[in-house]
This record gives sequence, C-alpha cells and structure tokens, in this order.
Amino acid sequence: QVQLVQSGPEVKKPGASVKISCMTSGYIFTDYAIHWVRQAPGQGLEWMGWINLDNGKTRFSQNFQGRATLTRDTSASTVYMDLRSLRSDDTAVYYCARRTGYYYDFWGQGTLVTVSS
Amino acid sequence: SYEVTQAPSVSVSPGQTASVTCSGDKLDKKYTSWYQQRPGQSPTVVIYQNNKRPSGIPERFSASKSGNTATLTISGTQAVDEADYYCQAWDDSDGVFGPGTTVTVL
Repeated sequence: QVQLVQSGPEVKKPGASVKISCMTSGYIFTDYAIHWVRQAPGQGLEWMGWINLDNGKTRFSQNFQGRATLTRDTSASTVYMDLRSLRSDDTAVYYCARRTGYYYDFWGQGTLVTVSS
Repeated sequence: SYEVTQAPSVSVSPGQTASVTCSGDKLDKKYTSWYQQRPGQSPTVVIYQNNKRPSGIPERFSASKSGNTATLTISGTQAVDEADYYCQAWDDSDGVFGPGTTVTVL
C-alpha cells in the first residue's frame, strides 16, 4: 500500500536550518510528483512547492523561493525538504503529499517544526 | 498570485445539509478538490476533479460548480463530519488552498 512517512519533530533556533524527509513506498517513486504543504498552529494549509521525481526539477511558492530546497534520493525513494534562515513564524506542521492528476491522494503524517530561541 | 476564498465557518444540525463554498477568479476553468481535516490529522481528499468522489468517501459528500464558485455539499451531515474543509485549485502547476471552512455539527 502507498505510504508517505515523514521524519520526526524538530526544534530549531531562529536563523538555523531544518531538513525534513518524506520516505515513500508502495508505488514507483518517479511516477508521481511530491508537493509540500505547511500549516501553522491554528491556521490553514499553505502550499510551499513541489519536485518532479523523474528529473529533479523544483518549483516554489514566492514565499519560499530562495529559502527552501527540495531534493530526492531515488535509491531510497525519499524526498527531502530543506528550509533555511528559520523564523518564529516558520513554526508549523510540514506535510509532504503525492500529487496524482489534479489532487493529492496520499499525505505524510506531518512533521512539527518549532522555531524558538 | 492566485487566491480562492471560503467562509470561515458553517454550522449545521445533524441530518441536515451543509454547504461549503469556494470562490476564485476563473475558477470555472480550474479543477477543484476538497480536503477534510480533522484535528491532529493530515488532510484527506473527499472530492477531486470538481465532483468526483474517491473510493471510501461516503455518498453524502458531493460537489458542484457554478461560474467561479465551487460548492461542497454534505447531505445528512453526521457528527463525524465535523472538521475543517479546504478547497484547492491549481494555478498552472502551483497548488492553491482556500483559507478553510470549519463545519460544526450542532
């Protein structure tokens, strides 16, 4: 069965970086793009960006361009999201999601990133 | 950047019909999906491609679109349907989420 399993919670200081993993299984890794969505406490869903797992190309929301990086390890069927220069308002649950057609059919369980001095 | 809007909350009595709307410029030309999110859980799709229901989603969930407004309808609402609902559209390859609507079953 399809699964997206994310790495555990992180606590970071302002200005630091965080790297979250999203390990996929149950399907051909390169057949589907992976998108990242975050949710600040008590807030809605915010689309961050996506990676084409076939060629590694990425695209980001303007809010994250220059500060976020998406990479993949095809041998491990894993996607990584790196966010730099963390601020307190980056405190959020970060989700990876598989896009199929025009929607997300599977989501990771979410990774809580807390940014606090 | 592209935006879609939703009302912040909707209240409904058990067994009644809840309607959640989503509006955006040229939304009639874009595929719309709807996601349900219960507290502490990841979102799950309840409607995709405007009006298709994934397997496992109860028939009481349906959706339609008129002009630039999409509507998610929950018929015979049950207590288990109390959740946040997000519409989602595509701006080229970028995902765009609405701000979410909290459906409260009173």
